[in-house]
Amino acid sequence: AQSVTQPDIHITVSEGASLELRCNYSYGATPYLFWYVQSPGQGLQLLLKYFSGDTLVQGIKGFEAEFKRSQSSFNLRKPSVHWSDAAEYFCAVGATGGSYIPTFGRGTSLIVHP
Amino acid sequence: DTAVSQTPKYLVTQMGNDKSIKCEQNLGHDTMYWYKQDSKKFLKIMFSYNNKELIINETVPNRFSPKSPDKAHLNLHINSLELGDSAVYFCASSRPAGASGSFYNEQFFGPGTRLTVL
Repeated sequence: AQSVTQPDIHITVSEGASLELRCNYSYGATPYLFWYVQSPGQGLQLLLKYFSGDTLVQGIKGFEAEFKRSQSSFNLRKPSVHWSDAAEYFCAVGATGGSYIPTFGRGTSLIVHP
Repeated sequence: DTAVSQTPKYLVTQMGNDKSIKCEQNLGHDTMYWYKQDSKKFLKIMFSYNNKELIINETVPNRFSPKSPDKAHLNLHINSLELGDSAVYFCASSRPAGASGSFYNEQFFGPGTRLTVL
């Protein structure tokens, strides 16, 4: 079965600084990978997804993520963080076959200092 | 227009009571889900319905009973509430697996219902 690890529970950055949130997955084949964002008091919203093709994926709100098969990683990046980016970020992985419901990581809470 | 809506947003109740949470989506999706998010933000799938039929039931106590009167609605009824049921419950919807040539389709989440059992 697939699994996903987000090693950082909290990340604190200053507004305007760059950001990288880590995500590692465990799956034998090429997985389906997602990043979702949960703003305070809100549901989750899809930022970007990777299924195949170009390993650098662009998403909404200026985010991007890079699939690195050799490292089993799908890290989320943003070159300049805004205060409104403060939220919980979830990486999710899906396998081929089975229920086709992705497995979510435990989330990384992003704190943005002014 | 709200894509996925849930009512109520907050629910405070006593142990042993029965309560329901309603979910509606206006996206025309065939697949709907219920997730439970605990105090540490861990998101766990509870149920998945496709075209009003249950396709996933992830070891959830049978005190939890989802009901889908039509494709646009998936309600969650909880009997004999326990302290451990306190959590945020999210409804979500998506196109079914295989739609548009993709096994996985974007899930659209509702705003959540915070259930507190006293």
